[in-house]
Amino acid sequence: RKEVEQDPGPFNVPEGATVAFNCTYSNSASQSFFWYRQDCRKEPKLLMSVYSSGNEDGRFTAQLNRASQYISLLIRDSKLSDSATYLCVVNYANDYKLSFGAGTTVTVRA
Amino acid sequence: GAGVSQSPRYKVAKRGQDVALRCDPISGHVSLFWYQQALGQGPEFLTYFQNEAQLDKSGLPSDRFFAERPEGSVSTLKIQRTQQEDSAVYLCASSIIGAGLRGEQYFGPGTRLTVT
Repeated sequence: RKEVEQDPGPFNVPEGATVAFNCTYSNSASQSFFWYRQDCRKEPKLLMSVYSSGNEDGRFTAQLNRASQYISLLIRDSKLSDSATYLCVVNYANDYKLSFGAGTTVTVRA
Repeated sequence: GAGVSQSPRYKVAKRGQDVALRCDPISGHVSLFWYQQALGQGPEFLTYFQNEAQLDKSGLPSDRFFAERPEGSVSTLKIQRTQQEDSAVYLCASSIIGAGLRGEQYFGPGTRLTVT
């Protein structure tokens, strides 16, 4: 079983729509959680951290549910430029090692 | 400012050849990471350096893989006797020390290795 599991999608949504997706992690000792974004044939870039209380960054909202061991990302008012693969990332109680999910692909159409 | 750079961007190797992939981290970044990303998958951790010290090489898939960072800046990932299953994008990332808990690793564009 993979440490971080994501629905690969693709999620195909019209501009202006809301799209949400989850990822689950297997290690209950996980400490830190993040969403990275990866455009096609580009490098991953940190999108946002995920806090227990939930957090927003503009149109993006991230939630963490420790009891059920899942993380979610919601994108409101989707833009064409939001089309990308979103990688769920978990840090297991050390200072450096990140574990990545396989990614969820989102395509926003005009 | 300059980000993480990697070279070559693309490499085609015949099975059995040795390859060397280079990473130039962001200046001043103490931590350096190598990841392997297969098609349709997320990056998989290979190895971690803090300055010139290789603190974790648990992700290296076999003893054909070797990484070094002799002066604590530029790093090289070497793959000996390449096999077809080594075909992947090799990503290098760097961060300031302690940034792992904040998830702030800065990735280079990667080297796409194809073994024929």
